[in-house]
Amino acid sequence: KNQVEQSPQSLIILEGKNCTLQCNYTVSPFSNLRWYKQDTGRGPVSLTIMTFSENTKSNGRYTATLDADTKQSSLHITASQLSDSASYICVVSALERANNLFFGTGTRLTVIP
Amino acid sequence: DADVTQTPRNRITKTGKRIMLECSQTKGHDRMYWYRQDPGLGLRLIYYSFDVKDINKGEISDGYSVSRQAQAKFSLSLESAIPNQTALYFCATSVVTGTGSTGELFFGEGSRLTVL
Repeated sequence: KNQVEQSPQSLIILEGKNCTLQCNYTVSPFSNLRWYKQDTGRGPVSLTIMTFSENTKSNGRYTATLDADTKQSSLHITASQLSDSASYICVVSALERANNLFFGTGTRLTVIP
Repeated sequence: DADVTQTPRNRITKTGKRIMLECSQTKGHDRMYWYRQDPGLGLRLIYYSFDVKDINKGEISDGYSVSRQAQAKFSLSLESAIPNQTALYFCATSVVTGTGSTGELFFGEGSRLTVL
């Protein structure tokens, strides 16, 4: 069964600290994995995409990793800011399927001053 | 102006009423989607459309219907709303990648529906 699991469900950190969010998946055949950021009351916005051949990709203070062998991805946030408070959603895409997106339930990050 | 626009943004209605949520896009994408989001359950697919003549049920289509009036417009209807359809609804668009998988999703700002 194709599944995407994220951990933790929620996280509270102090401003300026680092954190890492996890995404484990069983989707096959794998095409790519995206991390989305969803601010409260807004639609999700893509942060980064990871394909099979990529291990690490950075987008400013956000760094995503992918281990295709263990089917795990992480999103590391460095020097957190209050504006990082949001839900982070992991979405895995399968190859050649009509309905081929599988969503995690998200990690709710709260950054406090 | 937003690339994906949803109307209304907020709606309160009563059980049994018919409700339509509308979505329009200026991105020129063929693929459009309707999702609902509930706390703890994440985003779940209601219906999707790969072009004007193609409509497909998602994982939770019961109680919903859709209409793809044009490439740019995709509407979601609740024929007889019930309280457990209270949720945040999102429209999204995408392209298809060269490998046949779905590209980046572009979401609207959401429509919050409350059914009393």
